[in-house]
Amino acid sequence: GENVEQHPSTLSVQEGDSAVIKCTYSDSASNYFPWYKQELGKGPQLIIDIRSNVGEKKDQRIAVTLNKTAKHFSLHITETQPEDSAVYFCAALQVGPYSGGSNYKLTFGKGTLLTVNP
Amino acid sequence: EAQVTQNPRYLITVTGKKLTVTCSQNMNHEYMSWYRQDPGRGLRQIYYSMNVEVTDKGDVPEGYKVSRKEKRNFPLILESPSPNQTSLYFCASSFRPSTNSPLHFGNGTRLTVT
Repeated sequence: GENVEQHPSTLSVQEGDSAVIKCTYSDSASNYFPWYKQELGKGPQLIIDIRSNVGEKKDQRIAVTLNKTAKHFSLHITETQPEDSAVYFCAALQVGPYSGGSNYKLTFGKGTLLTVNP
Repeated sequence: EAQVTQNPRYLITVTGKKLTVTCSQNMNHEYMSWYRQDPGRGLRQIYYSMNVEVTDKGDVPEGYKVSRKEKRNFPLILESPSPNQTSLYFCASSFRPSTNSPLHFGNGTRLTVT
């Protein structure tokens, strides 16, 4: 099955600096890569995603890049603010037959705790 | 407001006492799934459902049951909870978890089994 590795597990930056979180995946058939932000006491929330036919996507201060050949993708946050502090998860989507049926299976990385210091 | 609602938010129980965590979504989503979140292990899928009466195992199904009798509800059942099921549980839903239909998560249920 798919394996998603995420680094670093913790990241501390000063307000205004950039933050980069990297993920690698193992299954070349994966074709959709979302990033989720989890604030304390809440469920993960989608912040940006990218499909495998696109190399980069940007939404204001957040961008995601994808290198299909190397099977890695990254989240870039510029001009960080204290409210960016949270746990971030990357994920890779596989679509396929599982256990006699089919499943849209998101495999998650283990998360990165980002702390933005004012 | 579009949302996934889990209840209860917090639950403390004893080993062997059957419990149910409810999950309901108001977005008419076909796909629903349960995850558990443990420190250092990320989110792992327990069970999922592609539609009414269609359920299947995820990565860590042992000790859990689910049912999907209605489209909006997807309860998680622990018939005989054990301490290793102490965890933070999330329910999630989407039409199909793709770029056009992201996964929406509930706010979680923190379960402690003593």
